[in-house]
Amino acid sequence: GAGVSQTPSNKVTEKGKYVELRCDPISGHTALYWYRQSLGQGPEFLIYFQGTGAADDSGLPNDRFFAVRPEGSVSTLKIQRTERGDSAVYLCASSPVPSPNTGELFFGEGSRLTVL
Amino acid sequence: SQQGEEDPQALSIQEGENATMNCSYKTSINNLQWYRQNSGRGLVHLILIRSNEREKHSGRLRVTLDTSKKSSSLLITASRAADTASYFCAKDNNDMRFGAGTRLTVKP
Repeated sequence: GAGVSQTPSNKVTEKGKYVELRCDPISGHTALYWYRQSLGQGPEFLIYFQGTGAADDSGLPNDRFFAVRPEGSVSTLKIQRTERGDSAVYLCASSPVPSPNTGELFFGEGSRLTVL
Repeated sequence: SQQGEEDPQALSIQEGENATMNCSYKTSINNLQWYRQNSGRGLVHLILIRSNEREKHSGRLRVTLDTSKKSSSLLITASRAADTASYFCAKDNNDMRFGAGTRLTVKP
């Protein structure tokens, strides 16, 4: 079966541009997570969706970051006015079991964003 | 802020030795999970331990949880060169937050 798919796998953009990163979770998984990971660091929590709604968006660093999941499956992470500090690997994960008592997270391979 | 801090930050051992990694956290949890990440790849789930469990085994992996000390440990027995990776703990407290990880190197 298909795993979590993230596109694009690599994105290079210029400072100030708008970027969208897409995540296709495993079919039927109600919980979806976005993380950001810099080199040598652990995944930094950004936002968690349960179904279509953002159950916890406390990890979004500022209002340039926004994520949607309009039909409860595919999610898009949107970054406006990108800055060099946004460069990182953006990871998406899904789970069939929502919090509390979240089950195993299934991760995609990530989208590597480079802001020049 | 991140939850779940691992130590040591880096660990280098010889093949065949055991590797122990520790994770501490600050608030109550529903469960705690351990993940592995090979360089440049996504994370892979290893094991989940619930807050009412004290120890769990999976193959060469042994995880313990001490809720009174707010800590967990991951033991990999009889390590292999293929175990070389970064290992992270993740605390489930109505979200899933990861620590900085332990980078394990197993020398053949």
